[in-house]
Amino acid sequence: EVQLLESGGGLEQPGGSLRLSCAASGFTFSSFPMSWVRQAPGKGLEWVSAITASGGSAYYTDSVKGRFTISRDNSKNTLYLQMNSLRAEDTAVYYCAKRRDGFDIWGQGTRVTVSS
Amino acid sequence: DIVMTQSPDSLAVSLGERATINCKSSQTVLYSSNNRNSLAWYQQKPGQPPKLLIYWASTRESGVPDRFSGSGSGTDFTLTISSLQAEDVAVYYCQQYHSTPFTFGPGTKVDIK
Repeated sequence: EVQLLESGGGLEQPGGSLRLSCAASGFTFSSFPMSWVRQAPGKGLEWVSAITASGGSAYYTDSVKGRFTISRDNSKNTLYLQMNSLRAEDTAVYYCAKRRDGFDIWGQGTRVTVSS
Repeated sequence: DIVMTQSPDSLAVSLGERATINCKSSQTVLYSSNNRNSLAWYQQKPGQPPKLLIYWASTRESGVPDRFSGSGSGTDFTLTISSLQAEDVAVYYCQQYHSTPFTFGPGTKVDIK
């Protein structure tokens, strides 16, 4: 079964850090670009970051540039999002998504709450 | 950045009737390599992740009922549910994957009238 499973979310204070992980199974992880997409409470979807299949290139939305780092370990079939200098506005459910044509596979999401 | 807009914000349709959602991009999302539009539609139900319905503006994802169809090109796109079923109550998003940031529309909530 094709599956993405996120972990690493939780409650963090402003200025703190969290590292999200996304474990992939059921497909050739190293062949596909991957993305992180977030959804603030009661709001719409916001694309956060993407990484190429090889991991050689990464892309970010402006609001997280310099604070978040996307990476992947193709030997472990795992995608990561290192989130530093967290802000209240980063509070959201974070989804990892596999990119084929559009985002065809999504995880169930991990909740990140940034609050003092 | 390509800005995506959707209309209406919400709509209520009787069971069995047609629902139409519009999506507009601020610039073309035509992918020159294959002459196809890099536009996807997703369905999201409460407490669930989004589900891909349509990609390349009009290609239905495997397993998606044929009452869902996508059309349009350039900057104007439409998602049509030909005969609304109770299980179609959800929020629908369009997204461009032509260039980063891969922006989403604000969503359209579909309910039963």
